[in-house]
Order: sequence, then structure tokens, then C-alpha cells
Amino acid sequence: DAGVTQSPTHLIKTRGQQVTLRCSPKSGHDTVSWYQQALGQGPQFIFQYYEEEERQRGNFPDRFSGHQFPNYSSELNVNALLLGDSALYLCASSYRGREAIETQYFGPGTRLLVL
Amino acid sequence: KQEVTQIPAALSVPEGENLVLNCSFTDSAIYNLQWFRQDPGKGLTSLLLIQSSQREQTSGRLNASLDKSSGRSTLYIAASQPGDSATYLCAVGYYGGSQGNLIFGKGTKLSVKP
Repeated sequence: DAGVTQSPTHLIKTRGQQVTLRCSPKSGHDTVSWYQQALGQGPQFIFQYYEEEERQRGNFPDRFSGHQFPNYSSELNVNALLLGDSALYLCASSYRGREAIETQYFGPGTRLLVL
Repeated sequence: KQEVTQIPAALSVPEGENLVLNCSFTDSAIYNLQWFRQDPGKGLTSLLLIQSSQREQTSGRLNASLDKSSGRSTLYIAASQPGDSATYLCAVGYYGGSQGNLIFGKGTKLSVKP
């Protein structure tokens, strides 16, 4: 079992550019959540996808958008990048099952640096 | 709104010491609590998961307790080793809507000196 995988591992962009981050969930999982972790902070929830739809969203602007594909993999897109978007972006997967909430498994993250 | 606080923010101990990391949360309506380890620049590794109906979980030298009524959890590390040096994050599972299902503290940065 490959676990949760994310790509790329590192990324450097300039202000105003757009970026796409990718996540493949753990085998058997159908739900993907994205988190932003700024330096020295705990991860902050961005949004969650299930059945190819955004089910929950945190307090992030519309510049942050996502997508889930039929194979449950997911993308996080950030438009008009700001310096403050520099962070570690974590993907977590889970299986929704009969419970609304299940244990989340985290990927290694993508480190984004905006110059 | 659920808030998670971890104390201390940083801790430095000599090798071999037993230590306790603290986590508190403001809303006791949680469904579980999880402790993670994070090495610099890396992702999260789950250490222990306590369901809301449980009082504690143990794995090797680690023991985590949960007291929902007081809104507290502790992570006890026995006989600390330099390899334990990392940031330890506490996260509560919570039906919080816009906060998402997992609310994190800011972490405790642990340094174990040889």
C-alpha cells in the first residue's frame, strides 16, 4: 500500500502566478482533505472533497479551488499567488463509510515558496 | 468555535528523562483526539488516536490520555531519546463545519539532548 502521495514535493513560484498541487489517496479511501501549514503553525483546513464535490470549506478565499477525480485523486489550485501563500500543503485521505468522519491519513506534503 | 492549545511551545530535555506534553481544547463535543509527530519540513505521522469513549492509548514508550470533561489531553513520553526530537501536534476530531473535521494546535517542539 503506497499510502497518501503528493506531487510535487517542492515548488517555487512568483507572485501572481497560479499553481496546481496533486494528491493520490490511500488505497480504499474516497475522501480527500487539504490543509495549509504555515511555518511554526498547526495545519489549517482548506476544504474536503467527497464524491467529486466540495463538501466542507475552511476560511480561505476563492483563489483556492479544488477538484476530485473519479479515481478519488484530487488537485488543489491556487490563483494569483501571494507571498503569504508560502507554506506546506498537506493532503489527507479517509474513508467516509457509515460514519461521517473517519481517521485521516496524511501525505508528505508539498512545500510551496512564493517569491 | 473549537480552539486547541498546546503547552509548552518548546521543550528541551536531557536524554533519558520522562516528559509530558499538554493539549487543551475549548469544546468537549469531540469524537476523537490524535497526537502526531512532525519532523522538520515533513508531513505528519500519527502516533496515537483516542476515541471519545476512551481514556487512554499506549504505544511503546508513548501514552496518551484524554479527559473530555476538562478539555485536556496529555502525551507522556518515557525514557526520551534524541530520536524523539520533533514537533508534536495535537488534533481534535470535531464536527465543526468551516473548521473542518480535524482541528490542530500549534505544536510543541521537543529537543532531546544526548
